[in-house]
Amino acid sequence: KAGVTQTPRYLIKTRGQQVTLSCSPISGHRSVSWYQQTPGQGLQFLFEYFSETQRNKGNFPGRFSGRQFSNSRSEMNVSTLELGDSALYLCASSLDVNQPQHFGDGTRLSIL
Amino acid sequence: ELKVEQNPLFLSMQEGKNYTIYCNYSTTSDRLYWYRQDPGKSLESLFVLLSNGAVKQEGRLMASLDTKARLSTLHITAAVHDLSATYFCAVADLETSGSRLTFGEGTQLTVNP
Repeated sequence: KAGVTQTPRYLIKTRGQQVTLSCSPISGHRSVSWYQQTPGQGLQFLFEYFSETQRNKGNFPGRFSGRQFSNSRSEMNVSTLELGDSALYLCASSLDVNQPQHFGDGTRLSIL
Repeated sequence: ELKVEQNPLFLSMQEGKNYTIYCNYSTTSDRLYWYRQDPGKSLESLFVLLSNGAVKQEGRLMASLDTKARLSTLHITAAVHDLSATYFCAVADLETSGSRLTFGEGTQLTVNP
């Protein structure tokens, strides 16, 4: 059974640009969550999508947005990139709220 | 706002020794997860604890949950080098629906021969 797939694995951007990250969940999983991991702030929740609807949102500025498609694949977009957006972005999928979230390998975003 | 604290944040131990990692959280929850992360890798699910008194064991690791004390422990028995990694606990906030998790800072475990 294929795991959570995130693309791309690595990305280098400059300040002011925008970026789109992609996540394909495990087959059958309808919940997709996004997290940002940095050495200073640790793992922080960005948002969660379930059946194409945003179900939860973390404390991030509006520059961070996401969406989920009918096949449960999800994308995350960050506009007007800042140096502080450099991080590992992790996507996780789960079957339901009482099941563990399975994480992808992440996209490492570097802002120059 | 839900807060999750782990201690210790850094743990260096010898092979064969036992130790416990603690995870305290600030608001009511009955869903707690433990994850392992190796350097440069993603998070691997270790345990899911869903009720007060829940205890799960896998190999040399055992996790427990006390929802009244808002405390979970991850006990390591007879540590081996392969257990070296960073361990995170994560708690689901009952005030929000869905799968939103708040993570602890992580405990970086190093097992020395």
